[in-house]
Amino acid sequence: DSGVTQTPKHLITATGQRVTLRCSPRSGDLSVYWYQQSLDQGLQFLIQYYNGEERAKGNILERFSAQQFPDLHSELNLSSLELGDSALYFCASSVRGAGELFFGEGSRLTVL
Amino acid sequence: AQKVTQAQTEISVVEKEDVTLDCVYETRDTTYYLFWYKQPPSGELVFLIRRNSFDEQNEISGRYSWNFQKSTSSFNFTITASQVVDSAVYFCALSEARGGTASKLTFGTGTRLQVTL
Repeated sequence: DSGVTQTPKHLITATGQRVTLRCSPRSGDLSVYWYQQSLDQGLQFLIQYYNGEERAKGNILERFSAQQFPDLHSELNLSSLELGDSALYFCASSVRGAGELFFGEGSRLTVL
Repeated sequence: AQKVTQAQTEISVVEKEDVTLDCVYETRDTTYYLFWYKQPPSGELVFLIRRNSFDEQNEISGRYSWNFQKSTSSFNFTITASQVVDSAVYFCALSEARGGTASKLTFGTGTRLQVTL
């Protein structure tokens, strides 16, 4: 158990819909990262937050947005969903200075 | 830009064989971190090791060992006496090191290891 909690574990929805994925980082970790894992793209970095502020942005679509709240949990919002958004979405957290990221179990999104 | 190459897409071995997973990286940074993660069939990503760019000592942890060679930009992972439970996809990853804080990870495409009896 990495200590990073993601909900929901599985989500099935239709094209055009909007979903929210939630992540609670390990206790004490200030950084939260979101990654997307799909068969064709592999593991892609989406976005990083540090103590509520956006720190780095990767290949995140404009239809996607994220935020980190004062209690440090984070949410990834995916809207106008397309079939190609079906993927495993990981959240990870890290403590400053440690280097390693600890990943949650992922949220598997299926868009039909 | 950072890049991680895992040229081996899939490896099959028989239990008790040794196996080495290759990882080659590219970065312009002088300070960086290298990682290996394991993704078993259940799907979670499990952290295995982190190596700083200025520490080229090889590391051994039980049946696992890592060979970091800056001269060839490689960070290879060897499993000795493989077991069926080692079957998983293994990812090599690279991150910048800015002020001691981890930056985003750039992952390789992964190597699927299948260990059979």
